[in-house]
Amino acid sequence: QVQLHQSGPGLVKPSQTLSLSCNVSGGSMNGHYWTWVRQTPGKGLEWIGNIYDPANTRYNPSLKSRVSFSIDMAKMQFSLEMTSVTAADSGVYFCARYPSGGPLPFDLWGQGTLVTVSS
Amino acid sequence: DIQMTQSPSTLSASVGDTVTFTCRASQSINNWLAWYQQKPGKAPKFLIYKASSLDSGVPPRFRGSGSGTDFTLTISSLQPEDFGTFYCLQYYSVPYTFGQGTNLEIK
Repeated sequence: QVQLHQSGPGLVKPSQTLSLSCNVSGGSMNGHYWTWVRQTPGKGLEWIGNIYDPANTRYNPSLKSRVSFSIDMAKMQFSLEMTSVTAADSGVYFCARYPSGGPLPFDLWGQGTLVTVSS
Repeated sequence: DIQMTQSPSTLSASVGDTVTFTCRASQSINNWLAWYQQKPGKAPKFLIYKASSLDSGVPPRFRGSGSGTDFTLTISSLQPEDFGTFYCLQYYSVPYTFGQGTNLEIK
């Protein structure tokens, strides 16, 4: 059974970079879009973007200038970096699986990471 | 971006009741709509895809319907574990967008 497990710091200073990782276990990473979603008090649930492979990424235009994804299929891991964070970026960040080529949306989720942006 | 609007924002109901939530898209999304249930401190749980298809293991008392811009989620014979916040998601076009949620409280 595929599971997603997130890791990364819960406290980030303003103007610094938020970095989170999501480890995939119990299945293959092939054939899926690996997704990041966040939940903030200001905007609710917000799709950040997804990565299929290192050359195939999609970002929410509202965050595109500050966000980048990476993926390492050998390590069964994908990651998020968000630069120049502010208090508005505080919230819970989730990784999720989005199966490609079929009707399913985000069907499996990580446990969530509470990120607080504060000095 | 496609805006997703859910109503009501809060709903209070008793065990055994039937409840209906609505989700409206700002433009047609065909039937590329999903529903999720979220409980405090947990990740959203996937319930329904393509507006009306239940994910594996989701009880048949959950029913989704609609197409185009207007969608509904109906829960029949409400159970105590059905409380939480329900979100719709359009995955018709990027950026994918969620509704603001309907909080279902069990009386």
